[in-house]
Amino acid sequence: DAGITQSPRHKVTETGTPVTLRCHQTENHRYMYWYRQDPGHGLRLIHYSYGVKDTDKGEVSDGYSVSRSKTEDFLLTLESATSSQTSVYFCAISEALDSSSTDTQYFGPGTRLTVL
Amino acid sequence: GENVEQHPSTLSVQEGDSAVIKCTYSDSASNYFPWYKQELGKRPQLIIDIRSNVGEKKDQRIAVTLNKTAKHFSLHITETQPEDSAVYFCAASIAGTASKLTFGTGTRLQVTL
Repeated sequence: DAGITQSPRHKVTETGTPVTLRCHQTENHRYMYWYRQDPGHGLRLIHYSYGVKDTDKGEVSDGYSVSRSKTEDFLLTLESATSSQTSVYFCAISEALDSSSTDTQYFGPGTRLTVL
Repeated sequence: GENVEQHPSTLSVQEGDSAVIKCTYSDSASNYFPWYKQELGKRPQLIIDIRSNVGEKKDQRIAVTLNKTAKHFSLHITETQPEDSAVYFCAASIAGTASKLTFGTGTRLQVTL
């Protein structure tokens, strides 16, 4: 499965605590994405990255921040977790070389986050 | 931005029958349309995709058709098998937007014996 791992795979936390999810790839791809998946909503883009230290917002970015200090790692941080952020989070990578090309996205195994 | 609608939300077919899932998109600049299959507790897996310069694409029992004028695309699964049971998602990507995908809300396909 396309050299993508996510950690942790499961996490339970309390409202108001910070949480960081990690996505790691071994494919050396430029583009990485964070999605959340909720019943009735499909997958929605939170943030994406097009290179080291280059990130941009997606459809549902409020309450989330990201960082990418190395090509292989893309971190998603919930600064102060809320119950509405209970979800399954998927990381994805793409072989796209630049913004003008459109290429397949491959997904990581997901992280199930529960905010109590 | 792009908006993708997917129907039906659930679909039950008998083994050996065909299944069709339909999606519509809003932005005529979309040029890439992948379909993902997601089994319970697993990651979404790409099963087929189509680009806007092609009207139809087949891969064994799976086919996708695209109507750019009407802005809709469909997934066709023939000779369904129990292992086809899963949730299927369509998606669309607007040209020049770094391959960002907008997903439909999913179709739960159940293949009964």
